Amino acid sequence: GAVVSQHPSRVICKSGTSVKIECRSLDFQATTMFWYRQFPKQSLMLMATSNEGSKATYEQGVEKDKFLINHASLTLSTLTVTSAHPEDSSFYICSARWDSEQYFGPGTRLTVT
Amino acid sequence: EDKVVQSPLSLVVHEGDTVTLNCSYEVTNFRSLLWYKQEKKAPTFLFMLTSSGIEKKSGRLSSILDKKELSSILNITATQTGDSAIYLCAVGGGSNYKLTFGKGTLLTVNP
Repeated sequence: GAVVSQHPSRVICKSGTSVKIECRSLDFQATTMFWYRQFPKQSLMLMATSNEGSKATYEQGVEKDKFLINHASLTLSTLTVTSAHPEDSSFYICSARWDSEQYFGPGTRLTVT
Repeated sequence: EDKVVQSPLSLVVHEGDTVTLNCSYEVTNFRSLLWYKQEKKAPTFLFMLTSSGIEKKSGRLSSILDKKELSSILNITATQTGDSAIYLCAVGGGSNYKLTFGKGTLLTVNP
């Protein structure tokens, strides 16, 4: 139980394009999902907290107009990286909260060329 | 600002050794402390420690939470090469269960 999926697992896009990453809780409903970014050899940095039916809460320094988050249902949150640049290349991981625990998706490796 | 500090940042041991990883934290409205193991992909959950559950054990891994010292340790006994990974400590606080992660400890177990 408590499985979280992410799609795609890996994406390469050109600079200036937008990329959408999906995070799904497969066997539970998650009112809260979290989006993290992890650069090589660094820890996970929380980008934003996504609550179903309301606006996401962004961490300091994260541009909300660049990283659009939509939590349209209790099992799906999406992160759209708009006008991607090479410095946005990173490992993006979502997690979904169930009870008091967070369950992580497998991550999405984004490479912007 | 919430803070989680892990030490050491990296550690190299031989198979069979016992290791202790440390995590200290400063967080408002502490709810829980979690340990994760990260290999090539996303972190996998190991333990969650709370005020009502300050010790956890699973096989060769065990963890203790010291709420007075605002710290936790993760012990791994009889290490194996498969234990090589980054071990992440995260602390949850606040009403939305937001997690703050430490930088992690890179453990390398040599045969």
